[in-house]
Amino acid sequence: NAGVTQTPKFQVLKTGQSMTLQCAQDMNHEYMSWYRQDPGMGLRLIHYSVGAGITDQGEVPNGYNVSRSTTEDFPLRLLSAAPSQTSVYFCASKGPTYNSPLHFGNGTRLTVT
Amino acid sequence: AQSVSQHNHHVILSEAASLELGCNYSYGGTVNLFWYVQYPGQHLQLLLKYFSGDPLVKGIKGFEAEFIKSKFSFNLRKPSVQWSDTAEYFCAVNAGGSQGNLIFGKGTKLSVKP
Repeated sequence: NAGVTQTPKFQVLKTGQSMTLQCAQDMNHEYMSWYRQDPGMGLRLIHYSVGAGITDQGEVPNGYNVSRSTTEDFPLRLLSAAPSQTSVYFCASKGPTYNSPLHFGNGTRLTVT
Repeated sequence: AQSVSQHNHHVILSEAASLELGCNYSYGGTVNLFWYVQYPGQHLQLLLKYFSGDPLVKGIKGFEAEFIKSKFSFNLRKPSVQWSDTAEYFCAVNAGGSQGNLIFGKGTKLSVKP
């Protein structure tokens, strides 16, 4: 049972480059989300999705795009990377019942130079 | 806007000491409360959660938390810590909106000396 899988684990980008962080879950969860974790800041919600074809912004959406074409996948796109996007990114999914917990992936450590 | 405050940035304890990590939230309505733990280099794992009912919640690895509505608090406790409890601990709240959207505190690093 893989749970939430994120790729890549590490990535270095130059300013202005684009890339997509991949996230897949095999638990048939409708809800998926992306957080970024910065030292001393905790986790902040970037975007979330409550089902295929539905996405919405979280607390810090600027500079990021998402789409949800399938239940399983929820990629996060950086169109033009900036040093301020250097962070650890976590994808999460949640089951359908109200008290289901968030399941987190192992994270992607992104450095933008 | 909702927010979560964790009072301690870094706590250092010796093994067998008791632990209490503070967490306060700002929201006047119904809340769901969580504590997550992040071991070095790993992802977040759920320690315990409160949705309703008994305000004293027991979680994994001997942790517990008490929801005190009048104080807007959800403090995490453990009677006797172990070296393996060294980690970062995050309090989180879901207050309205999508049930999956959590607001996290900034985290408390716990270092346990053997």
